[in-house]
Amino acid sequence: ILNVEQSPQSLHVQEGDSTNFTCSFPSSNFYALHWYRWETAKSPEALFVMTLNGDEKKKGRISATLNTKEGYSYLYIKGSQPEDSATYLCALSNSGYALNFGKGTSLLVTP
Amino acid sequence: DAGVIQSPRHEVTEMGQEVTLRCKPISGHNSLFWYRQTMMRGLELLIYFNNNVPIDDSGMPEDRFSAKMPNASFSTLKIQPSEPRDSAVYFCASSPGPGYEQYFGPGTRLTVT
Repeated sequence: ILNVEQSPQSLHVQEGDSTNFTCSFPSSNFYALHWYRWETAKSPEALFVMTLNGDEKKKGRISATLNTKEGYSYLYIKGSQPEDSATYLCALSNSGYALNFGKGTSLLVTP
Repeated sequence: DAGVIQSPRHEVTEMGQEVTLRCKPISGHNSLFWYRQTMMRGLELLIYFNNNVPIDDSGMPEDRFSAKMPNASFSTLKIQPSEPRDSAVYFCASSPGPGYEQYFGPGTRLTVT
């Protein structure tokens, strides 16, 4: 089992604030790092799949970076909106198939 | 495409009964995954298939759990006999292949009384 740690466990920010979360993972046998967004009462939806050290990906106001040598990834949200409220999961793959998920960071954005 | 389809969406059963959860992956996806989500353990992988073949079932908790994928468009997860500690949300996901994102179904909420 690959130990994927996410911090903080939860976060409460005001609308318009920018925020970021951390995902830490063992750097050996790395294949890919996934970020998912999980809204209450829905299913996880993929945000990014990152494979290369130094990768940076962006989708709208959300971006992510990857450091495979030191074993961490950051997810950034610029100008948070209430609709960004969700749990953000990261997951590590060392085979290309199976994902080991962290416990997630629960984000609440209030107007 | 309708996405990953799971049935039933909710299942309530009594301890000792057999439970069968069903999943239809996205057409053309070669990999299928079964996950269980609980408060204590989060989202954990139970088993996954590639081209209908089970690749890794090390996450299946006990012999009471079994999964099959008879063809590319259908998979089942069976629990026999069910126990109250099996109560959880079970997700099925599919993926085009290694390194691609996974697409999750809506989940089946199982309650065993």
